[in-house]
Amino acid sequence: GQNIDQPTEMTATEGAIVQINCTYQTSGFNGLFWYQQHAGEAPTFLSYNVLDGLEEKGRFSSFLSRSKGYSYLLLKELQMKDSASYLCAAPTGGSYIPTFGRGTSLIVHP
Amino acid sequence: NAGVTQTPKFQVLKTGQSMTLQCAQDMNHEYMSWYRQDPGMGLRLIHYSVGAGITDQGEVPNGYNVSRSTTEDFPLRLLSAAPSQTSVYFCASYKQGTGNTIYFGEGSWLTVV
Repeated sequence: GQNIDQPTEMTATEGAIVQINCTYQTSGFNGLFWYQQHAGEAPTFLSYNVLDGLEEKGRFSSFLSRSKGYSYLLLKELQMKDSASYLCAAPTGGSYIPTFGRGTSLIVHP
Repeated sequence: NAGVTQTPKFQVLKTGQSMTLQCAQDMNHEYMSWYRQDPGMGLRLIHYSVGAGITDQGEVPNGYNVSRSTTEDFPLRLLSAAPSQTSVYFCASYKQGTGNTIYFGEGSWLTVV
């Protein structure tokens, strides 16, 4: 099964950089997802990491260390619209069906 | 390209009533799943399917039933609604090898009174 932990809430200033951490314990590893979810909306895809290292995609980057069971999402040049919940998820070994963490609510203030 | 279509978007039920949340995808994805989302709880897996005719239980399956008679459709049935089932429900589909992206429906807001 899966056990995924991430902070409940973070705050940051517009223009700054924020790092959202995620730790996981899994009986089988098939990659790690990051999703963004605005209030009242469905989650939207940000990234998928299956190999160790950093993957950059515009203002968002995601890092994975499989040996440490650790990932982070890095958001640069924060904008007010980045205020949302960020969900870490990892598929279960056999089925590829993701289990989600409780999400990190990010509040960006001016 | 419709993606994942989920209906209804809003529903109010009385305790004890039954209903079905519909989910359909047109991307020929093998994997489909249903999640519920409650405040502070993230997305919790109810049931999932890895292909037509194959379903399995997730983290919180009690009170829900599913079937997968076709690749496209994966309905979620509430057998006898309870106030504890008041939640937002998301259907999702996924195909290994297509960039490993999970596609979500728009969500169904269900209130049981």
